Amino acid sequence: KNQVEQSPQSLIILEGKNCTLQCNYTVSPFSNLRWYKQDTGRGPVSLTIMTFSENTKSNGRYTATLDADTKQSSLHITASQLSDSASYICVVSPGGSQGNLIFGKGTKLSVKP
Amino acid sequence: NAGVTQTPKFRVLKTGQSMTLLCAQDMNHEYMYWYRQDPGMGLRLIHYSVGEGTTAKGEVPDGYNVSRLKKQNFLLGLESAAPSQTSVYFCASSSGQGAWEQYFGPGTRLTVT
Repeated sequence: KNQVEQSPQSLIILEGKNCTLQCNYTVSPFSNLRWYKQDTGRGPVSLTIMTFSENTKSNGRYTATLDADTKQSSLHITASQLSDSASYICVVSPGGSQGNLIFGKGTKLSVKP
Repeated sequence: NAGVTQTPKFRVLKTGQSMTLLCAQDMNHEYMYWYRQDPGMGLRLIHYSVGEGTTAKGEVPDGYNVSRLKKQNFLLGLESAAPSQTSVYFCASSSGQGAWEQYFGPGTRLTVT
C-alpha cells in the first residue's frame, strides 16, 4: 500500500535554532516528492519538488533531501523564525498518476521566542 | 492574479441539506482537484479534472459530485450532506501532471450537524 509517514508528529523549537523533519515513503513507482508548508487556516504552499534524480533542493532557509534508494526525505530549516510555525507536509507522487498525490499527515512545528 | 479562490469560506449545514462549493483559478490551468482534510489525516483526493468537461474520481468520491463546465471553475456538490462530510475542503490547480506544481486555495470549512 502506498504510504507516506512523517516524524515527529509535532516539534517545538526556539527561534533561531535549526531543525530537521523526516519523511519515509512506500510509494511505488515513484515520480517526485514535495514538501508543503501549511499555516493554520490556510491552504498548503509548495516549498520544494524533487524528482528521482535530485537528492537535494533548497528554497531559502529550507533544504530538502531525497534518498530514493532508502525512500527517505528530510526537510531542514535553518535559523528558524516565528513565521516558520506551521504544519509541514511531505507528499509523494506515484509514477504515471494524473492526480493521486499521497499526502503525509504532517509535522506541526512551533517556533517559540 | 488571485490564484485559486474558493467560496464560501465557512458553511454550516444540517444533515440532508445540499450545497455547492465553488473553486475558481485564473492561471489557465488544465488540471483541477478537490481534497478534504480531516484532523490526524493527510489530504485525500475527492475528485479531479484534467480539462474542461472532464472529471474523474479520486480516493474518496462517495457522496460528492463535481462539474467542470468552464476551464477556470471546478464545482463540488454535496447532494445530501452527512456529519461524516464535516471537513475542510481544498481546491487546487496545476498546469499538468507529474512534477507540475499544485496551487491550493484557502479552503472551505464545512460543518454538518
